[in-house]
Amino acid sequence: SAVISQKPSRDICQRGTSLTIQCQVDSQVTMMFWYRQQPGQSLTLIATANQGSEATYESGFVIDKFPISRPNLTFSTLTVSNMSPEDSSIYLCSVDGRVDGYTFGSGTRLTVV
Amino acid sequence: KQEVTQIPAALSVPEGENLVLNCSFTDSAIYNLQWFRQDPGKGLTSLLLIQSSQREQTSGRLNASLDKSSGRSTLYIAASQPGDSATYLCAVLVDSSYKLIFGSGTRLLVRP
Repeated sequence: SAVISQKPSRDICQRGTSLTIQCQVDSQVTMMFWYRQQPGQSLTLIATANQGSEATYESGFVIDKFPISRPNLTFSTLTVSNMSPEDSSIYLCSVDGRVDGYTFGSGTRLTVV
Repeated sequence: KQEVTQIPAALSVPEGENLVLNCSFTDSAIYNLQWFRQDPGKGLTSLLLIQSSQREQTSGRLNASLDKSSGRSTLYIAASQPGDSATYLCAVLVDSSYKLIFGSGTRLLVRP
């Protein structure tokens, strides 16, 4: 299974600012996924990121708020823009694992004050 | 629309007890089902993956079963230990999709 390095592991940010989260995979993968986990909740898919094309966003998530980059087959970033306290969550990246199961990064715990 | 439910939401047991966590899903057209463990504030660790053609998978003290026709999976933990305390999530992969659909999790506390 792929190994994912995600950073930062946690951050405390001021409202109105932006934070970029990075995920680096140790092998080339076609699809990467970004999830949000709000306090006390389960995971919700934000978007699917394919290399060389725009990310596909799920209902309720928009590119202006969560821009995603996928410059190559081993790396992706998610930016949380113009943050408010409601954006306080754990953000996780994941890679496609239909054969061996999905693998997740260690998560970014974001607190917006 | 696929929905995944986990029961119970929380469980507290004494050390050494055997326990069962339940996961149910509404649409039997799944590609596979995966059980994860999540420690507070952390990412997800994959525990077991069951392909749709399989009935069960085992890893150490963990055993997961899958009954596609009834839309159910169970995670059996034998001889529980305090280090097993975590949230356990099940997730199904819809047959024609790359999207994992997660249950809400079972928060487990194993008391010494």
